[in-house]
Amino acid sequence: KNQVEQSPQSLIILEGKNCTLQCNYTVSPFSNLRWYKQDTGRGPVSLTIMTFSENTKSNGRYTATLDADTKQSSLHITASQLSDSASYICVVIDNYGQNFVFGPGTRLSVLP
Amino acid sequence: EAQVTQNPRYLITVTGKKLTVTCSQNMNHEYMSWYRQDPGLGLRQIYYSMNVEVTDKGDVPEGYKVSRKEKRNFPLILESPSPNQTSLYFCASSLSWGSGNTIYFGEGSWLTVV
Repeated sequence: KNQVEQSPQSLIILEGKNCTLQCNYTVSPFSNLRWYKQDTGRGPVSLTIMTFSENTKSNGRYTATLDADTKQSSLHITASQLSDSASYICVVIDNYGQNFVFGPGTRLSVLP
Repeated sequence: EAQVTQNPRYLITVTGKKLTVTCSQNMNHEYMSWYRQDPGLGLRQIYYSMNVEVTDKGDVPEGYKVSRKEKRNFPLILESPSPNQTSLYFCASSLSWGSGNTIYFGEGSWLTVV
């Protein structure tokens, strides 16, 4: 069964600190992996998209990595800001482009 | 501005009273879909549409209907809502169903069925 797992479920850090969120998946055949940021009560917004051949992709203070062999991805946030408080969702798309498998998300809280 | 617009944003309704959640996109996207989001679960796809007059079931289609008569609109219909359909609903669109396209989400519709 295609699944996406994320850890930790929730995380609290202080402003200015770095953090790393994890995503493991079993989706096969794999096409691409995406990270989304979802503010409370709002729609998810795309952060990064990585295909099979890409190991890393950056978007400002967000850096995503992908290891397609171990089926793992991480999202690293540098110098966190209060506005980074949100849920971060890992999404894996199969090779046919129709099956989007969403992870449950990691809830990040950045405190002053 | 590129937008996916859902209405209503918030709704409380009673069991069995038919309702429609509208979704409209202004990007001329071919692919549109509906998701529901429940606590502790990832977004689950209800229905999707690859183009006008082409719709298909997602992972959790029971109790829902959709239509795609025009490219820009993709309404979600609950013919006889039940309390287990209380959820946060998102409409999304992308240029086509190809795997590399960015997905744009609406702001969400909070639905409570009592």
